[in-house]
This record gives sequence, C-alpha cells and structure tokens, in this order.
Amino acid sequence: AQSVTQPDIHITVSEGASLELRCNYSYGATPYLFWYVQSPGQGLQLLLKYFSGDTLVQGIKGFEAEFKRSQSSFNLRKPSVHWSDAAEYFCAVHSGGSNYKLTFGKGTLLTVNP
Amino acid sequence: DVKVTQSSRYLVKRTGEKVFLECVQDMDHENMFWYRQDPGLGLRLIYFSYDVKMKEKGDIPEGYSVSREKKERFSLILESASTNQTSMYLCASSAVSPYEQYFGPGTRLTVT
Repeated sequence: AQSVTQPDIHITVSEGASLELRCNYSYGATPYLFWYVQSPGQGLQLLLKYFSGDTLVQGIKGFEAEFKRSQSSFNLRKPSVHWSDAAEYFCAVHSGGSNYKLTFGKGTLLTVNP
Repeated sequence: DVKVTQSSRYLVKRTGEKVFLECVQDMDHENMFWYRQDPGLGLRLIYFSYDVKMKEKGDIPEGYSVSREKKERFSLILESASTNQTSMYLCASSAVSPYEQYFGPGTRLTVT
C-alpha cells in the first residue's frame, strides 16, 4: 500500500527566508504527486502537481517542487516566504489507474515570524 | 474554476441527532469524497462515490452513511451523532483523470 511521510510536524521560518518542506512516499511505480495548502479554518487548496516529464514543477503562490525518484521524495520549496504563507501543507500521492483515492501525509504546519 | 460548496461552515448538534452534511460541485466530476480532519490524525477518508448511486467505504465509515442521487451532490449522514464525531468535515471532488481533488471550505461540526 502506498504511504506518504512528512517528517516535519512544525516548521518556523522568518519572513523572507527560504523554505523547504519534505515529503517522502512509498510506492513501487512513479506515482502522481500533489501539494496542498490549508489556511486556518479553510479547505485544502491545490498548490501544484506532478504527473510526468520535467521533475521540477511550478505551482501557485511562488511555490515549486522537485520529484526525485531515487530518493522517493517530492519536496516543496519557496525562495522567500511571506507572512501569508503561514498555513498547513499536505503532500499527497495517487497510484493512478482505477484507484480513486489520494493518500495524504499528516501535514506540516508552517509558522512565519516577522 | 472548480467550485465545491458545503452547506454549513459551522454546525452544533446534540448527541443522538441525525445530521446531514451536503456538498455540491459544479465541474461535472465523477468522483466525490468525504473526509474528516482531526489534529494529529490528518485527513481520513470516510466514504467516496465514483458515480451516481455508487459508493465505497473509506478508512473510517463506522457511524456514517452517504447518499448520491445526483452527480453534483454528495451527502454525508450521521445517523445518530456522538461526541466523538466532533470534527472538521471536508468534501472533495475529482475527475476520473487527472486525479487531483478539489476541496470545499469544510464544516466544523460540534456534537454536544
């Protein structure tokens, strides 16, 4: 069964600093990979996705993620964090085919200090 | 833009009441999902539906049922609400392919 691990439960960065959120997945073939963001009291918003092709994908709000097959990772990055980026971030994986479900990581809470 | 709406943002119910949570999507998506989200436990799938009148149990279906009579609408039913069902409930929809899910704003349910 596929699984997703986000090793960091909580990360604090200063505004303007760079950010990297880690995501590791367990799945035999190349999965479909997603990052979502959830602001307090809100639903989840899709930031970016990877299906195939270029392993560096660009998303909304200035985020990017890199798929590394050898490390089974799909880390999310942003060069300069804004206070409005404070939120919880979820990595998710889909195995493709007729399996309808996404498997989510437990999330990383990002705090941004002024 | 895909829009997924949920009938209530906040709901307070008493133990033993029957509770209906409604979700509507406007993108003609085949798949719809209900999750609950609790601190430290992440998102857990309750039920999903891949077609009208079709449903499958997710990871935590006990105490819940669902109904999908129309493609755009997916209802979650708590037959007899209990305090351990106090949670944030999130609805999502997706096409068959690609697989990304689009989420509603959530319903914060409190059962007292």
